Amino acid sequence: DAGVIQSPRHEVTEMGQEVTLRCKPISGHDYLFWYRQTMMRGLELLIYFNNNVPIDDSGMPEDRFSAKMPNASFSTLKIQPSEPRDSAVYFCASSPSTGGGNQPQHFGDGTRLSIL
Amino acid sequence: GDSVTQMEGPVTLSEEAFLTINCTYTATGYPSLFWYVQYPGEGLQLLLKATKADDKGSNKGFEATYRKETTSFHLEKGSVQVSDSAVYFCALSDSGANSKLTFGKGITLSVRP
Repeated sequence: DAGVIQSPRHEVTEMGQEVTLRCKPISGHDYLFWYRQTMMRGLELLIYFNNNVPIDDSGMPEDRFSAKMPNASFSTLKIQPSEPRDSAVYFCASSPSTGGGNQPQHFGDGTRLSIL
Repeated sequence: GDSVTQMEGPVTLSEEAFLTINCTYTATGYPSLFWYVQYPGEGLQLLLKATKADDKGSNKGFEATYRKETTSFHLEKGSVQVSDSAVYFCALSDSGANSKLTFGKGITLSVRP
């Protein structure tokens, strides 16, 4: 299996610009998660989906952040407008639904975002 | 709510030293417990897991035992290698079906040759 695929791996852009991060989950996985990792705050769950439906977006920091999952094989996380404090590594993860909480999450390699 | 507490880091050890990384948790019900590892420049990978009390998860020489009485899931390895240098995260998943994980803050392990 190809694993969770994220793109781009690195993104550098100026503040105020729109940023779109992409994720392809593992085929057959019903759950998709977006995380943000920083030195100061560690690993934070931003939002997660089940069968393409957002279940919990309480971790989304503010209205500048939005996430979509138009189909089972693709999700985006968008920041508009971006700010320097959004600089972080963003991870996407997926997991199957069978087995409930026993199932581990499979992570992509992340997108390292730098907002200048 | 659910929470995971890991010991403060970073931890620096010499090769072949014994490793213990402490993890305690707070949860309602009967959570599943996980250790994830993050190597430099990569995403998190599952290292081991335990799904019920007294279960022992093991992988790559690492072990952790689910201790319900002390609400702990400490990670151990008898002899660390330089290649074990990474960030280690303890996590729990509640007994529901939503697969949501609660992570600890992570701890950086550096192993010197």
